[in-house]
Amino acid sequence: QKEVEQNSGPLSVPEGAIASLNCTYSDRVSQSFFWYRQYSGKSPELIMSIYSNGDKEDGRFTAQLNKASQYVSLLIRDSQPSDSATYLCAVVRGSTLGRLYFGRGTQLTVWP
Amino acid sequence: DTAVSQTPKYLVTQMGNDKSIKCEQNLGHDTMYWYKQDSKKFLKIMFSYNNKELIINETVPNRFSPKSPDKAHLNLHINSLELGDSAVYFCASSQGLLLKTEAFFGQGTRLTVV
Repeated sequence: QKEVEQNSGPLSVPEGAIASLNCTYSDRVSQSFFWYRQYSGKSPELIMSIYSNGDKEDGRFTAQLNKASQYVSLLIRDSQPSDSATYLCAVVRGSTLGRLYFGRGTQLTVWP
Repeated sequence: DTAVSQTPKYLVTQMGNDKSIKCEQNLGHDTMYWYKQDSKKFLKIMFSYNNKELIINETVPNRFSPKSPDKAHLNLHINSLELGDSAVYFCASSQGLLLKTEAFFGQGTRLTVV
């Protein structure tokens, strides 16, 4: 079983819609959870971090964490064409601090 | 103003050569990393240093050798380059070991071995 799994997509939504990106992880004692955005040819850029169960909102982005279900998601409200990128979910396991485990990413396209 | 900077940005070299990639961070972080992103865009950790000590050494060929002269620098030296080493290499840094702290990435070094 992979450490971190994401729907590979691609996910395509119209401008103004809500984009929903999902991620599951295998280690129940994982501690830290991150969403990175990566534009083609660029480096991963941190969008959100979440460490406890529930929702965390930052502007148009909301991260949701459910440790019981081992599930973390990212919602992007009012999606813009500039949000078109690959979104990477990353998890830090409790037993191996200092090591980010990445999913393979979900490619999002927002069309005008 | 760049937080995590890598040089060079592009590196094209022949098989068998030895090359180095340099990384510097000005965030005051105590932990630095090397990640490799393969052609399928999968990011995987290679090495990590915390306060200049090697703490993560993934299963990579021993042709790859990291060196951390101080907390702000982490270099990657690769001996006897092979075609399969072609990838994008990202340096990253964080304060602490990512227990409620975040990692920030450099712009990447695209290595092409011909």
